[in-house]
This record gives sequence, structure tokens and C-alpha cells, in this order.
Amino acid sequence: EDKVVQSPLSLVVHEGDTVTLNCSYEVTNFRSLLWYKQEKKAPTFLFMLTSSGIEKKSGRLSSILDKKELFSILNITATQTGDSAVYLCAVHTGTASKLTFGTGTRLQVTL
Amino acid sequence: GAVVSQHPSWVICKSGTSVKIECRSLDFQATTMFWYRQFPKQSLMLMATSNEGSKATYEQGVEKDKFLINHASLTLSTLTVTSAHPEDSSFYICSAGGGPGYEQYFGPGTRLTVT
Repeated sequence: EDKVVQSPLSLVVHEGDTVTLNCSYEVTNFRSLLWYKQEKKAPTFLFMLTSSGIEKKSGRLSSILDKKELFSILNITATQTGDSAVYLCAVHTGTASKLTFGTGTRLQVTL
Repeated sequence: GAVVSQHPSWVICKSGTSVKIECRSLDFQATTMFWYRQFPKQSLMLMATSNEGSKATYEQGVEKDKFLINHASLTLSTLTVTSAHPEDSSFYICSAGGGPGYEQYFGPGTRLTVT
């Protein structure tokens, strides 16, 4: 059974801190790994990673994939209160375009 | 990114009634849409994969007679929760995608409360 595990489950930081969120996976027929941000409604797409070692960056957020060690990290630098959300990692496997989601990391950024 | 809408965004119904939720891809054609359910403080659980013009594929443990899925066109999929019970109360989210990048774009979700 495909498995995606995220850590930590929750995290509280002060504004301006840098955080690293982890996602490890055990799946068959890996295609890609995706990161989403979920606030009060449905998830919004952040990154998709398919190749090891190539960092994807968008503003203060960046992510990288290690296909040998089967994990990915999502970094957020200079955190702001607007970064408070649940960050979901999902792995796409097989040919049916299915995503298997991790449990998410709940990030709270305080003033 | 692609835009996916859902309707209604929030619904309350009585136990035993049926509720239909619509999912539309607004600016692209989606041959495949996905229906997820999310309970409070839990992650998204895939319920079924909806394929245009054919039967949906349900995940293990999801009752296909209770959660009816219809994908009548390339821009519309519907989920009908039949004979709803309080334990069906949840956040239902659809997504569309599966293109070359495999990224999925999510609708805003529908919060169902069964009383």
C-alpha cells in the first residue's frame, strides 16, 4: 500500500523564522511529488517535483526532492502570519493520475 | 492555473435525503476528475476517480451505491450522496487535472452537514 508521511504534524514559529517541512514516501511506480497549501478551503498548488536534486522556488518558498532517499522538503524563509496553513504533500503514482496525500503539517506563524 | 468550481459551497440536509454536488472545470476540459473527502484535522482521502463517459472507479471501502458519480461532460462531474446520514457530514472536494504535469487543481470544496 502506498504511504506518504509528513513531519512534524504541527509547528508553531515566530514571524521571520525559517521552517522546514518534511515528506517521506513509500510507493510503487512513483511519478511525481506535489506540495499544496490548505487554508480554510481546498488546497492550492505550490510545487510539483519529478527530478532529484533540482530545487523549485517561488518567492520565500522552495522545495527539493531526493528520489534515492524517498523524501522531499519544503522550506519557507522569513515566515509571515499569512503562511499559517496546513501544508500537504502528495505523491502521484501509476497511470491513473491518482494522488496519495500525507496527513499534512499544520503550521502556525505567530507575531 | 486551471479553475475548478464547486456548487454548493455549503449544504445542510436532513438524514435520509440525497444531496448533489457539482464540480466544474471552468477553463479547460477534464477527462478525469477526482472526488475527495476530508474530515476535520485529517488529510484528503480519495473516494473515486470520475471518468468522462464511463463509470467511476471507487476506492476500497467507498460504497458506490451511496456515492453516485456522474461525469456527463468534459467540464462537469457530479457526486450525489444518497440517503445521507450524520456520519456523511464532511468536506467534499473535487479536483481536475492529470495532464502532462500530473498536477491536480482543486475546487473550493463543499461542506455537507447532515442533521
